[in-house]
Amino acid sequence: RKEVEQDPGPFNVPEGATVAFNCTYSNSASQSFFWYRQDCRKEPKLLMSVYSSGNEDGRFTAQLNRASQYISLLIRDSKLSDSATYLCVVNDFNKFYFGSGTKLNVKP
Amino acid sequence: DVKVTQSSRYLVKRTGEKVFLECVQDMDHENMFWYRQDPGLGLRLIYFSYDVKMKEKGDIPEGYSVSREKKERFSLILESASTNQTSMYLCASNRDNNYEQYFGPGTRLTVT
Repeated sequence: RKEVEQDPGPFNVPEGATVAFNCTYSNSASQSFFWYRQDCRKEPKLLMSVYSSGNEDGRFTAQLNRASQYISLLIRDSKLSDSATYLCVVNDFNKFYFGSGTKLNVKP
Repeated sequence: DVKVTQSSRYLVKRTGEKVFLECVQDMDHENMFWYRQDPGLGLRLIYFSYDVKMKEKGDIPEGYSVSREKKERFSLILESASTNQTSMYLCASNRDNNYEQYFGPGTRLTVT
């Protein structure tokens, strides 16, 4: 069983739409959670950390549900520039486990 | 601005060759990591290092070794390259107690 599982997509949405991704993780003792963004043929970059209380950064909202072991990312008012692959990442004692990513295509 | 550099963007090697992939970071990070990324499988951890001369196996260390002689440099070695090691290799680093990882641009290795 994979440590981190994500729906690969693609999610095809129009500009201005709201889109949500979920990710599940298998180790209940996992300590830290993140969303990374990866553009085509580029390296992953941190989008945001995910806190137990939930956190928001502009149009992006991340939530953590420890009881159900899932993490979510909500993107409001999608922009063309949001098109990318979003990677869910879980940290266990400084070892990082990456989901295979969810691809988002925002269309004009 | 954190910078992680990798020695090559593209590399083509023959089966059985010894391959060296170099990674250098300029932010004095304690921890360094080597991953490979394959379609549908995501990033998988090969090895990581939390200090000079220290190394820990990740999830898929078979066929690989690493070297960390200096804090800023972490090398991945394929002792005898095989076609199933054709992949994108990504190096990353982070500081202790700061979980954000910074990635290099990747090396796309093809083994023929």
